[in-house]
Amino acid sequence: LAKTTQPISMDSYEGQEVNITCSHNNIATNDYITWYQQFPSQGPRFIIQGYKTKVTNEVASLFIPADRKSSTLSLPRVSLSDTAVYYCLVGDREAGKSTFGDGTTLTVKP
Amino acid sequence: NAGVTQTPKFRVLKTGQSMTLLCAQDMNHEYMYWYRQDPGMGLRLIHYSVGEGTTAKGEVPDGYNVSRLKKQNFLLGLESAAPSQTSVYFCASSLPTGHSNQPQHFGDGTRLSIL
Repeated sequence: LAKTTQPISMDSYEGQEVNITCSHNNIATNDYITWYQQFPSQGPRFIIQGYKTKVTNEVASLFIPADRKSSTLSLPRVSLSDTAVYYCLVGDREAGKSTFGDGTTLTVKP
Repeated sequence: NAGVTQTPKFRVLKTGQSMTLLCAQDMNHEYMYWYRQDPGMGLRLIHYSVGEGTTAKGEVPDGYNVSRLKKQNFLLGLESAAPSQTSVYFCASSLPTGHSNQPQHFGDGTRLSIL
């Protein structure tokens, strides 16, 4: 089961690009990388998922280097409403075989 | 389309009391999960189910029981509540994992306090 390491917290300002990196040194060959966002008093919400290289959707981009030992979630031009906790998960292929770490608390300031 | 609905949203119990938390999903998902989240921490998996009539233990199963009698419902039971079980409980559901991972869809949680 791949263990993930993320920064505990990050600060940013409105309009900036934010990059949150997750380390997962023992990722398995078949593991995907999934990111979730959680607002206070709400359940986590799926943001993006990838296996290798780059994935982009309407919300974020996910960059995964060739060795797949880390991944970077990129949020373009953040706003105050992006203030949330962001979780990186690895190894979600089997039900019950992935765990949420403590996440990264992103605070966006005006 | 409600997604994942949890009831109740809030509850206060006394030590030793029992209760059942209900999770219902309308997305026809095979997999369902129960997590707990303590203040300032991530989610920890309690139990999960990969289909109607099946359940399995997660990371922190002690003190909890679950049942999946219908595909759309997943029940979490506390037989004898303890203060250490004060937490926010989240239910989630997903399609079966397979060739690619399937994102989990979460409810808004049940806030449970045990005095």
